[in-house]
Amino acid sequence: AQKITQTQPGMFVQEKEAVTLDCTYDTSDQSYGLFWYKQPSSGEMIFLIYQGSYDEQNATEGRYSLNFQKARKSANLVISASQLGDSAMYFCAMKGDSGGGADGLTFGKGTHLIIQP
Amino acid sequence: NAGVTQTPKFQVLKTGQSMTLQCAQDMNHEYMSWYRQDPGMGLRLIHYSVGAGITDQGEVPNGYNVSRSTTEDFPLRLLSAAPSQTSVYFCASNHGGINYEQYFGPGTRLTVT
Repeated sequence: AQKITQTQPGMFVQEKEAVTLDCTYDTSDQSYGLFWYKQPSSGEMIFLIYQGSYDEQNATEGRYSLNFQKARKSANLVISASQLGDSAMYFCAMKGDSGGGADGLTFGKGTHLIIQP
Repeated sequence: NAGVTQTPKFQVLKTGQSMTLQCAQDMNHEYMSWYRQDPGMGLRLIHYSVGAGITDQGEVPNGYNVSRSTTEDFPLRLLSAAPSQTSVYFCASNHGGINYEQYFGPGTRLTVT
């Protein structure tokens, strides 16, 4: 079984500041993938970034980076130079290899990020 | 490519009614899944499929039925709707393995009165 914990229900951040959204996970799988999704108020799920458990370097995608600390079982999302359009719900999720990667994603409860001008 | 499409976008049902939520993808993905999202919760897996003719239960399967007759389509059936099934439903698809993102449909907002 897998579990994702996001301890920040809501965050307020000033525009242009960097943001760190926390995510810790628990799994007994040897190999797994970690994902971050953004859900704006319009409701769609937007993929942001992926980190594999055996990747040696932290993933980056434009203004998004994933601070992966395997020993601590954490996969924090860092957004640099936040923008008003970053206001949304953010979900951390994972998929392990015990189900062959077929049995979907396990999600955390999300963090509601609000960027203030 | 249309990606993952879902119909309807909104639906209101009375308790005890049945209905089918439609999901289709045009990316030739083998894996498809259904999730529900309730307020204050992340998405929870209802059912998933690894290919045509193969389905399995996720975390919250009770009250739902699925089938997969083609690679493209993965409908979700509510057998006898209950107020507890009021939720937003997302269909998703992806290539196999742990390192592929899931592509989500736009969601169906279902209210059961």
